[in-house]
Amino acid sequence: AQTVTQSQPEMSVQEAETVTLSCTYDTSESNYYLFWYKQPPSRQMILVIRQEAYKQQNATENRFSVNFQKAAKSFSLKISDSQLGDTAMYFCAFMRRFYNQGGKLIFGQGTELSVKP
Amino acid sequence: EPEVTQTPSHQVTQMGQEVILRCVPISNHLYFYWYRQILGQKVEFLVSFYNNEISEKSEIFDDQFSVERPDGSNFTLKIRSTKLEDSAMYFCASSEGLGGYTFGSGTRLTVV
Repeated sequence: AQTVTQSQPEMSVQEAETVTLSCTYDTSESNYYLFWYKQPPSRQMILVIRQEAYKQQNATENRFSVNFQKAAKSFSLKISDSQLGDTAMYFCAFMRRFYNQGGKLIFGQGTELSVKP
Repeated sequence: EPEVTQTPSHQVTQMGQEVILRCVPISNHLYFYWYRQILGQKVEFLVSFYNNEISEKSEIFDDQFSVERPDGSNFTLKIRSTKLEDSAMYFCASSEGLGGYTFGSGTRLTVV
């Protein structure tokens, strides 16, 4: 069975600074996706970034980037130039990849990020 | 941008009552899901649905739960006899496959 672990329940960062959220996972699969989701106080689940395990290049979306270390089973999220609107719960998630099929997401426990002015 | 729509946004029900949570997935998506998040906890998979049948379910998804796609657009989650511990945020999601998910904004279910 796959597991996802986020070891930082809470983090804070000053506005405009950089913060890194950690995530590790355990799987015997070789083909999978990894995700970071943001959940603001509205509790909407918003996709931040996605990484396909077969791609060595780290995914980047504007101020958000990941450090994907497949051998170490580590998938951290770096937020650059933090903004007040980044304040939210962040969830790391794993999905086993089936060819042309949907799959379930397995979530970590979440990291509550506070961006301070 | 296409959205997954969930109704109602908040439902209060008495213990033992049946509730139906409704979702309208994105029209060209083929895979549908329900997830649950108890307040302050992580998001948990309940069930996935493809080609008009359940493709996978978790141990949470017991006989009290059922899903249906009654008319080709709606996707519903029914809880037959609600318990206090069913109080949670319920998220519907849809996917066209290959890892792309869209979540709805959730239904907050409160069982009293």
